[in-house]
Amino acid sequence: DAKTTQPPSMDCAEGRAANLPCNHSTISGNEYVYWYRQIHSQGPQYIIHGLKNNETNEMASLIITEDRKSSTLILPHATLRDTAVYYCIVRVANRDDKIIFGKGTRLHILP
Amino acid sequence: EADIYQTPRYLVIGTGKKITLECSQTMGHDKMYWYQQDPGMELHLIHYSYGVNSTEKGDLSSESTVSRIRTEHFPLTLESARPSHTSQYLCASSSPYRGRAQGEQFFGPGTRLTVL
Repeated sequence: DAKTTQPPSMDCAEGRAANLPCNHSTISGNEYVYWYRQIHSQGPQYIIHGLKNNETNEMASLIITEDRKSSTLILPHATLRDTAVYYCIVRVANRDDKIIFGKGTRLHILP
Repeated sequence: EADIYQTPRYLVIGTGKKITLECSQTMGHDKMYWYQQDPGMELHLIHYSYGVNSTEKGDLSSESTVSRIRTEHFPLTLESARPSHTSQYLCASSSPYRGRAQGEQFFGPGTRLTVL
């Protein structure tokens, strides 16, 4: 699976959009971009995933660049409960297998 | 909602004791995983299983062992606990046919182990 690069930490004001970047310059054509988050000491939770089109669900939006070498997770109206570590993971499509979580981005939502 | 359970949630035990951390899921998932995570640090995969009677070591070497005799149960055992085993242990499961993303992993609440 391709490696990803994320900033170690970010701050965002409550009520603003939080934009979390991820670089995956070695991504292959059959690899999806997945995002999980881990709220303090809990198990990680799936947020969203995509291949090349932008995706949106009730939690977030995922913007993938046209060359697929980077992506941005957007939390449109961040709340204090969104404070967590966010993991960007690249995995082969249709593959149900182990996930390697990297260091992720520690997002602090400021009141 | 994911139905994956871990017991105990917290365990404080003395050096040299044998311990078993329980993990059960009621979703019928074939694949199960154990992760180890120190406070503020990365998650490390230590064991996984593709189904009954299947166990594999993960990317981080661990002195623990696992078994998979039943689909729903994936216990982790430490034969002789040491202070270096103090950590949080997270169990997860997945299925290619369930979840919003193929292979989405569902996590239990974790067991926080302290070895004195």
